[in-house]
Amino acid sequence: QVQLQESGPRLVKPSETLSLTCTVSGGSISRYNWAWIRQSAGKGLEWIGRFYSSDNTIYNPSLTSRVTLSVDTSQSQFSLKLTSVTAADTAVYFCARERSGGFDPWGQGILVTVSS
Amino acid sequence: EIVMTQSPATLSLSPGERATLSCRASESISNNLVWYQQHPGQAPRLLIYDASTRAVGIPARFSGSGSGTDFTLTISSLQSEDFAVYYCQQYNKWPRTFGQGTKVEI
Repeated sequence: QVQLQESGPRLVKPSETLSLTCTVSGGSISRYNWAWIRQSAGKGLEWIGRFYSSDNTIYNPSLTSRVTLSVDTSQSQFSLKLTSVTAADTAVYFCARERSGGFDPWGQGILVTVSS
Repeated sequence: EIVMTQSPATLSLSPGERATLSCRASESISNNLVWYQQHPGQAPRLLIYDASTRAVGIPARFSGSGSGTDFTLTISSLQSEDFAVYYCQQYNKWPRTFGQGTKVEI
């Protein structure tokens, strides 16, 4: 059974870069689409983007200028980088596998706070 | 982007009662809709995809219907573990978008 686990800094300063990693266990990272989704009290659930390969990545237009997704198949990990963060980027960040149009499974989520 | 609107915001019901949750899309999304359940402090769990197909392991008391712009999630007889927040999400177009959720409370 595939399991996902997010990791990374839980506190990021304004204007800096948020970097998170999702480790996939119990299954192959290849042949699937992988996504990042965040959840905040103010904006609810927000889809950030989807990675399948370096030339098959789609980002939310609201974030596309600041976000980069990548995959390291050798480590069974996929990553999120979000630059120039502000307090509005404070949220619980989830990684998930794309499946049947939705997302399943999800990681447990990691709360990232943007604050000086 | 497609805006997903859920109603009501909160549904107050008792165990054993029937719950009917609505989700409306700002434009037609065919049947490209999923439903999730989320308990506090947990990640969402996929319940229904293609508007009406239950995901593996989801009890038969959960059912989905609708197409186009109007969708419904029905829980036929609420169990204690069903009290949670439910979200719809469209996958007809990019970016994927979610509704704001319906809280089913006791």
